[in-house]
Amino acid sequence: EIVMTQSPATLSVSPGERATLSCRASQSVISNLAWYQQKPGQAPRLLIYGASTRATGIPARFSGSGSGTEFTLTISSLQSEDFAVYYCQQYNKWPPYTFGQGTKLEIK
Amino acid sequence: QVQLVESGGGVDQPGTSLRLSCAASGFTFSSYAMHWVRQAPGKGLEWVAVISYDGTNKYYADSVKGRFTISRDNSKNTLFLQMNSLRAEDMAVYYCARVGTARTMYNWFDPWGQGTLVTVSS
Repeated sequence: EIVMTQSPATLSVSPGERATLSCRASQSVISNLAWYQQKPGQAPRLLIYGASTRATGIPARFSGSGSGTEFTLTISSLQSEDFAVYYCQQYNKWPPYTFGQGTKLEIK
Repeated sequence: QVQLVESGGGVDQPGTSLRLSCAASGFTFSSYAMHWVRQAPGKGLEWVAVISYDGTNKYYADSVKGRFTISRDNSKNTLFLQMNSLRAEDMAVYYCARVGTARTMYNWFDPWGQGTLVTVSS
């Protein structure tokens, strides 16, 4: 099983600032990695797939990078609606499809 | 637009059974693999099961293997999860999710339904 590890668990950032979230895989997932955003009481929403491709309708301030075992989600200028929990997920080697434990992005 | 609507959640005692449904609309259901993912209260996301677009291939998380069965009715655009021998640790919001690209299982999850809550308590 591929273990996905996200850091930090909680990130405190001020609106307008840049946020950088990390995700590490226990073995290479090539670029078969997705990022999701989840707000309280809502279902997860796809942000990024293929490690760096924005999903339809996702603002350009969201960007993904990395390959192999190290990945990053960057939000360039935080808006109020961006404060949420973010999950990475690998779909390279399955079953199981595995998620990171999540990073909570909170207002500083 | 693409829509997934889960139903069938509720309160059940340990050891009992429950069947969840996920009604799909807005896309060619029979062309897409489908997943169930769950989220225990206050916890992260846990993948549960996947079924191929034609129903011939099914895979499960070890935590549910032998107790849960995923199935689909492509004539009714509906995905199912039969949950038997429920345990306290199965209590969660259960989401159905489509894969992003037709006819493959090597794929991300998009979109997701709104979820249905399963409570297991004596």
